[in-house]
This record gives sequence, structure tokens and C-alpha cells, in this order.
Amino acid sequence: EAGVAQSPRYKIIEKRQSVAFWCNPISGHATLYWYQQILGQGPKLLIQFQNNGVVDDSQLPKDRFSAERLKGVDSTLKIQPAKLEDSAVYLCASSSGGEGYGYTFGSGTRLTVV
Amino acid sequence: AQSVTQLDSHVSVSEGTPVLLRCNYSSSYSPSLFWYVQHPNKGLQLLLKYTSAATLVKGINGFEAEFKKSETSFHLTKPSAHMSDAAEYFCVVIPSGYALNFGKGTSLLVTP
Repeated sequence: EAGVAQSPRYKIIEKRQSVAFWCNPISGHATLYWYQQILGQGPKLLIQFQNNGVVDDSQLPKDRFSAERLKGVDSTLKIQPAKLEDSAVYLCASSSGGEGYGYTFGSGTRLTVV
Repeated sequence: AQSVTQLDSHVSVSEGTPVLLRCNYSSSYSPSLFWYVQHPNKGLQLLLKYTSAATLVKGINGFEAEFKKSETSFHLTKPSAHMSDAAEYFCVVIPSGYALNFGKGTSLLVTP
């Protein structure tokens, strides 16, 4: 089966600019996650969707980050305006549900804010 | 709240020698625990998972982990390291809601 697709792979922007990332999960996976992985750290959950509804966005900096999953399939994560500390790899993952089963990660988008 | 602590940020072993990556967990009940591996510029890959079926869990590439409730540990081991094992390893627990809660990672270096 096809994996979790993410684009772009790399992005360099200046601070205060905006940026958007796209994720296409595995077909049929109801749950979609966005994680932020800062260099040298483990991934941190930003937001979790179940179909097109938000399950958990408690760690999403809502003053600058937003995410949507229209129609319960693809998802976009946006940062506006970006700060230097947003430099990280943004990982998308999807799962078929249940604790840890069918969890698949995309290759990520590496964002550099200069 | 459920969390994990990876006790070593870096581990260095010689090729052919055993690997031990240490992880302690904090949980008010029997947790679901995982080990993931991340090779440079590659995605996260599941090595193994513990979901209370058996305390000794075997994973891919010769890795295994033992769940020890009395020690609240879930250490990752491999009898003989290979150069290709050099990567970042994450111990992971699932709190509520099915999202993964990652440790800070252990960087494994394998020397010839």
C-alpha cells in the first residue's frame, strides 16, 4: 500500500512569512496526526484529527499555527507568521485506530526559518 | 500522565557487541510501549511494541525489549550490533487518545 505522503520535503522561509505543509494519509485511515520534531528532540504532537474533527490540539500554538482536514482525508498545517524557533521537521502520521496499531509516518517536511 | 524517560542521550558500541538502550516509563496502569528507529533523513519506523500480551517482545532486525513492571522499564537490546543499526531510537508510550508520546531519543553510534 502507498505510504503517508507529505510535501514539500524541504522549505526555507524568512521569519514572519507564512508556510503550509500538506499531508495525504493512507487510504482508509481515520486518524491523522501532525508532529513537530525539533533537532535533537523526540517528535511532539501538535494536533490529532479523527476523520475531519479535532481530537487533541492542546499543544498547537494557535496564535500562529492552524490545521485542517477537510473531508476527512488530506490535511494541511499552516504557520503564519513563522518564527525562528519553528525550524523543525513536521511529521504527518495516520493510523487505522486502536492503540498504536497501523501507525504510519510520512518522511516529513524540514522547515528552516531564517 | 504517562511518559517515558530515555536514560542515555548517546550510546556508542563496537560492531558485533551487544546493544542496550534504556527506557523507563511512568504510568498509573499497564501502558502500551513502543520503540521506534529513525535513520538519518528517513522516516520513523516501528521496531517493536508491547501491549501486555508477553513481557519479552521481539522486533525487526534482531531487536527485542523486555517489559519489567517491577522496574518500570522497557529496555531495548540486540545481541550483536551492525553498522546499519546506527540511528536515533525513541521509546514511546501511548497516553489517552491514541497519540504517541515520544522520549527524547538515544543516538546509537556503531564503530568498526
